[in-house]
Amino acid sequence: AQSVTQPDIHITVSEGASLELRCNYSYGATPYLFWYVQSPGQGLQLLLKYFSGDTLVQGIKGFEAEFKRSQSSFNLRKPSVHWSDAAEYFCAVVKYGNKLVFGAGTILRVKS
Amino acid sequence: ETGVTQSPTHLIKTRGQQVTLRCSSQSGHNTVSWYQQALGQGPQFIFQYYREEENGRGNFPPRFSGLQFPNYSSELNVNALELDDSALYLCASSLAGTDNYGYTFGSGTRLTVV
Repeated sequence: AQSVTQPDIHITVSEGASLELRCNYSYGATPYLFWYVQSPGQGLQLLLKYFSGDTLVQGIKGFEAEFKRSQSSFNLRKPSVHWSDAAEYFCAVVKYGNKLVFGAGTILRVKS
Repeated sequence: ETGVTQSPTHLIKTRGQQVTLRCSSQSGHNTVSWYQQALGQGPQFIFQYYREEENGRGNFPPRFSGLQFPNYSSELNVNALELDDSALYLCASSLAGTDNYGYTFGSGTRLTVV
């Protein structure tokens, strides 16, 4: 069965510092992978997605993610974090039939 | 283009009661999926509706049911509410037949069962 693991429940970074959020997936074929962000009281906003091709994917708000098949990972990165990036981040994989399977999420705190 | 609208935003129900949550899909989308997000967890797939019929279901009991209407809007009904049903319920719309998996999520309905 497909699953998504986000090893870090909470991460705290200083404003201006770089960020990497980890995501590992378990899936037999080439996965369709997503990163979403959720601000308090809000729905999910798509940051980026990977289907095939270039393994480095650019998204909105300056985020990028790299697909590494050998490590079954799809980590999210940002070179310089802003205070407004504080939110919860979810990695997800599509299961056949267009169902998203989400990880448990990583809460990002940004300190000034 | 309009996004996904969910109503109500919050509600409180008593254990054993029934509840109906509503979702208006994004303009141009014909598929609606519902997710349950318990506190501290990622969203869990409940079911999906396409052409007014259920098109896949997650690991949820039959007391979770839904409808899709000709205008592609949708309802989620939960009978015999239990305390563990307290969660944020998210609706996502998409366009079937495309391979870009362009889901648009609503802001959710926060359900509290007491």
